[in-house]
Amino acid sequence: NAGVMQNPRHLVRRRGQEARLRCSPMKGHSHVYWYRQLPEEGLKFMVYLQKENIIDESGMPKERFSAEFPKEGPSILRIQQVVRGDSAAYFCASSPRRGTNTEAFFGQGTRLTVV
Amino acid sequence: QQQVKQSPQSLIVQKGGISIINCAYENTAFDYFPWYQQFPGKGPALLIAIRPDVSEKKEGRFTISFNKSAKQFSLHIMDSQPGDSATYFCAASPLGGTDKLIFGTGTRLQVFP
Repeated sequence: NAGVMQNPRHLVRRRGQEARLRCSPMKGHSHVYWYRQLPEEGLKFMVYLQKENIIDESGMPKERFSAEFPKEGPSILRIQQVVRGDSAAYFCASSPRRGTNTEAFFGQGTRLTVV
Repeated sequence: QQQVKQSPQSLIVQKGGISIINCAYENTAFDYFPWYQQFPGKGPALLIAIRPDVSEKKEGRFTISFNKSAKQFSLHIMDSQPGDSATYFCAASPLGGTDKLIFGTGTRLQVFP
């Protein structure tokens, strides 16, 4: 049973470009969480999605950031017109259903560098 | 109110010693308190977790102590080993919420032989 898969592992973008980060949850998991980790800091919650639904986006910046989790395929975190401050590690976690954060597993993250 | 405060920021321990990391919270609605271990370049991995109905939980060399009245919880690593060198994060999740985790700022542990 493969774990949470994130790709790419490393992504370099120039200022103003778009970044697309993908997260494939564990088999049987239909809930996905995205977190951002700035250098030397803890993880900050961004968004929680269930298949085809955004459940909680209270941690998402108001502009340039969006997330989706379609019926088929991975969850996508999209950052438009990236700026240097977006440089961070982005982690997703998946769980089988709501109320099971004890069963949430994290991926290895995507490290975004904006140059 | 949604914060979890973690200390110390870094910790150096001799092999065989006890590592202690502390966290404090204010939101009494938190009902799940996990600890995560993160190695460089890797994602966080769940180490051990506790709910507020118990005051202590032990798994191998790792113990969580939980003080509900003080709103504090701590991680104790007994017989610390060089392989324990990593960053440790405490976290909390609110009851009845969306299961999102509120993380502390992390403690970088170095265990020297």
